[in-house]
Amino acid sequence: DTEVTQTPKHLVMGMTNKKSLKCEQHMGHRAMYWYKQKAKKPPELMFVYSYEKLSINESVPSRFSPECPNSSLLNLHLHALQPEDSALYLCASSQDLGAREQYFGPGTRLTVT
Amino acid sequence: AQSVTQPDIHITVSEGASLELRCNYSYGATPYLFWYVQSPGQGLQLLLKYFSGDTLVQGIKGFEAEFKRSQSSFNLRKPSVHWSDAAEYFCAVGVGRASGSARQLTFGSGTQLTVLP
Repeated sequence: DTEVTQTPKHLVMGMTNKKSLKCEQHMGHRAMYWYKQKAKKPPELMFVYSYEKLSINESVPSRFSPECPNSSLLNLHLHALQPEDSALYLCASSQDLGAREQYFGPGTRLTVT
Repeated sequence: AQSVTQPDIHITVSEGASLELRCNYSYGATPYLFWYVQSPGQGLQLLLKYFSGDTLVQGIKGFEAEFKRSQSSFNLRKPSVHWSDAAEYFCAVGVGRASGSARQLTFGSGTQLTVLP
């Protein structure tokens, strides 16, 4: 299985809501990533987890809270988001932090109203 | 710091015509190189990758890319474009971070491909 899955596919939330994005992989990868992609722009790295520990935080606002409860699962908890946070959120995984290749999920399209 | 340049923001070709999308990178050593395609509202699909060895790389959907070290380029080509190739194309390089052992992907700004019937 070389697939990274993400749920939900689409999410609409108000600025006072709390929601979560979920990412799952069963490739035995030990590094997992969250990217944010605005329309017509390249993906931007947000967070990296390695062996279930946060390894990299690219100065992301605290209204985004990542969580890696086990080696197969990565969550992104959202709270008090702004309309400018509307974007495609992509999850990826790799064998480890130094691996040559990352495998991307299909993304969650988030709209903040 | 490493950087990736895709000089063409938008390219339009006729169906059946050949295609070349340009990608230049700036990095001290040979990076790992990737081309991704993204259709509207979809995630990233890996077209092909270069790690080492033969500098002409074959990918999916009839795409190929050539790594030219002397020009720091990794251009994507297809001999005959199909209407379904219309999408956004991203070139990316994988390099080690300055701090620690993590490897990160740096993406170019993308090239939007339009295919005329």
